[in-house]
Amino acid sequence: NAGVTQTPKFQVLKTGQSMTLQCAQDMNHEYMSWYRQDPGMGLRLIHYSVGAGITDQGEVPNGYNVSRSTTEDFPLRLLSAAPSQTSVYFCASSYGEDTQYFGPGTRLTVL
Amino acid sequence: SQKIEQNSEALNIQEGKTATLTCNYTNYSPAYLQWYRQDPGRGPVFLLLIRENEKEKRKERLKVTFDTTLKQSLFHITASQPADSATYLCALARRHGQNFVFGPGTRLSVLP
Repeated sequence: NAGVTQTPKFQVLKTGQSMTLQCAQDMNHEYMSWYRQDPGMGLRLIHYSVGAGITDQGEVPNGYNVSRSTTEDFPLRLLSAAPSQTSVYFCASSYGEDTQYFGPGTRLTVL
Repeated sequence: SQKIEQNSEALNIQEGKTATLTCNYTNYSPAYLQWYRQDPGRGPVFLLLIRENEKEKRKERLKVTFDTTLKQSLFHITASQPADSATYLCALARRHGQNFVFGPGTRLSVLP
């Protein structure tokens, strides 16, 4: 199993640009989440999904969109990038025992 | 407002000693508490989960306690090794599934 994969690893955007961060898991997990991690603030939940076709907002959803058309994929869309969205983004998945498996992260810089 | 604090940003200890990390929370009633390890440039890795009705959990050199009265969890690494050097995160959830809230983490350095 590849576990949770994320692409790209690094991305630089200009203010106002849009992009999609990709996340995929091959463990047939029901739950998937997106977090952002900023220095001194820990991981903050952006959006999450409890199954295909079902998504909900987390703590910091503004400026981000998600969809879950399949069990495997959970892309995160930045609609109009802002410097405040400079961060490291982690995707995670889990099933049953609440153990979350995290991807390697995407380091995003918005200029 | 809800708040999760971890005892310090950084903790240095000598190899072979027991490292004790603290996770305190306020205005929260978690059903689950988890501890993760995170190495630089990598995603967090799950270590242990403890439920609200459990006082203690062990796994090899790791031990977690959970005191819902004190609103505190302690994470112990016994016989610490330089390879244990990493950032350790605690995370709380009210119920099974998502909506985990993470603490800011403690960076542990085990000195040889």
